[in-house]
Amino acid sequence: GAVVSQHPSRVICKSGTSVKIECRSLDFQATTMFWYRQFPKQSLMLMATSNEGSKATYEQGVEKDKFLINHASLTLSTLTVTSAHPEDSSFYICSAVRDPYEQYFGPGTRLTVT
Amino acid sequence: RKEVEQDPGPFNVPEGATVAFNCTYSNSASQSFFWYRQDCRKEPKLLMSVYSSGNEDGRFTAQLNRASQYISLLIRDSKLSDSATYLCVVSGGFKTIFGAGTRLFVKA
Repeated sequence: GAVVSQHPSRVICKSGTSVKIECRSLDFQATTMFWYRQFPKQSLMLMATSNEGSKATYEQGVEKDKFLINHASLTLSTLTVTSAHPEDSSFYICSAVRDPYEQYFGPGTRLTVT
Repeated sequence: RKEVEQDPGPFNVPEGATVAFNCTYSNSASQSFFWYRQDCRKEPKLLMSVYSSGNEDGRFTAQLNRASQYISLLIRDSKLSDSATYLCVVSGGFKTIFGAGTRLFVKA
């Protein structure tokens, strides 16, 4: 199967700082990547759809100025959590789409904001 | 109403039991349907796609009823290793919606 990596796997940061999470498709090109957030004992919630070379599409209720998404190449999308707060602590998972429509998930990044 | 709704669970079953999960979706334009499995603190992994004709993969059988907007997953001869959360996933175009998941505990 296809491989998607995320970095870092775990990060602890102080309130007010920014954190960047990388999502890479290692053995295929992905025009589209998704970013999800998962709180404990809850399902994945789609945050945004990242399209290579264009602006991301954010789901309702997700602040685009707080969660900056950049999809600069066909194998890399980044999510930057700006001015992080404790309520941003969550499990962030990306997925990459291999055409026509196969979605592969990264292993996730656990963010803890203190 | 949620776009994708699943049985709340948790399901507690003995080894060898047959267990069924149900899922309904609200968007009639949805095109693709999947069941994912998620272990604690891990990313979801695709279990199987769901087709209108129904499909089977070993002990797992998935079915789709477009008219009723209903998806099911049947697990036969449950194993301890089947313990996980099962996510019903519905997509239309490039938008993917996850159900809240149903937790399954298989006990010896």
